[in-house]
Amino acid sequence: SYVLTQPPSVSVAPGKTARITCGGNNIGSKSVHWYQQKPGQAPVLVIYYDSDRPSGIPERFSGSNSGNTATLTISRVEAGDEADYYCQVWDSSSDQGVFGTGTKVTVL
Amino acid sequence: EVQLVESGGGLVKPGGSLRLSCAASGFTFSNAWMSWVRQAPGKGLEWVGRIKSKTDGGTTDYAAPVKGRFTISRDDSKNTLYLQMNSLKTEDTAVYYCTITIVVVPAAIVYFQHWGQGTLVTVSS
Repeated sequence: SYVLTQPPSVSVAPGKTARITCGGNNIGSKSVHWYQQKPGQAPVLVIYYDSDRPSGIPERFSGSNSGNTATLTISRVEAGDEADYYCQVWDSSSDQGVFGTGTKVTVL
Repeated sequence: EVQLVESGGGLVKPGGSLRLSCAASGFTFSNAWMSWVRQAPGKGLEWVGRIKSKTDGGTTDYAAPVKGRFTISRDDSKNTLYLQMNSLKTEDTAVYYCTITIVVVPAAIVYFQHWGQGTLVTVSS
């Protein structure tokens, strides 16, 4: 089955840039989506189709995808961005949804 | 406003059964593909399965760990999604979320646009 690997944690100072990676075999050939989950809350879609933002998501959130790595970038990080972030793809070979292992973003 | 409200969670013994419901409003439920995603305590997200709209065949797909034990169904007249869980195991303990599933065929693009607040299922003796 298809595997997505994320770093367990990323720490960033307020106002700086956080980059969260999502590694997978030839992930650049797939469409990657990203979710933010704050403690005790349901996940929220923040990026779809690699780099598109749903309405209401700040422009500070952006995404890219190439080769074996997709990246979620959070610019000008705020305290409210502290959360777990998950990448996700659809594995068409098995017709199954696949989530990354998740990354906890800590704002210092 | 889109709303998804899950219910039916609780404590059940290993080997037991439980049926979860997800009441949907604020969108045309009959046209939507829907999925269940779960999250074990302190763990990451895990896709459980999906059901297509009846217009697109109404068929289902499941993750390997639940295939043959879980069944997803829908009642479009009641705007409600269901997850029937049988032969439950301790490892099925999780918060279960229902989601609106956006699909782009044939590009095999699938993502989860809106999520409910989830319902907790605890499997323990």
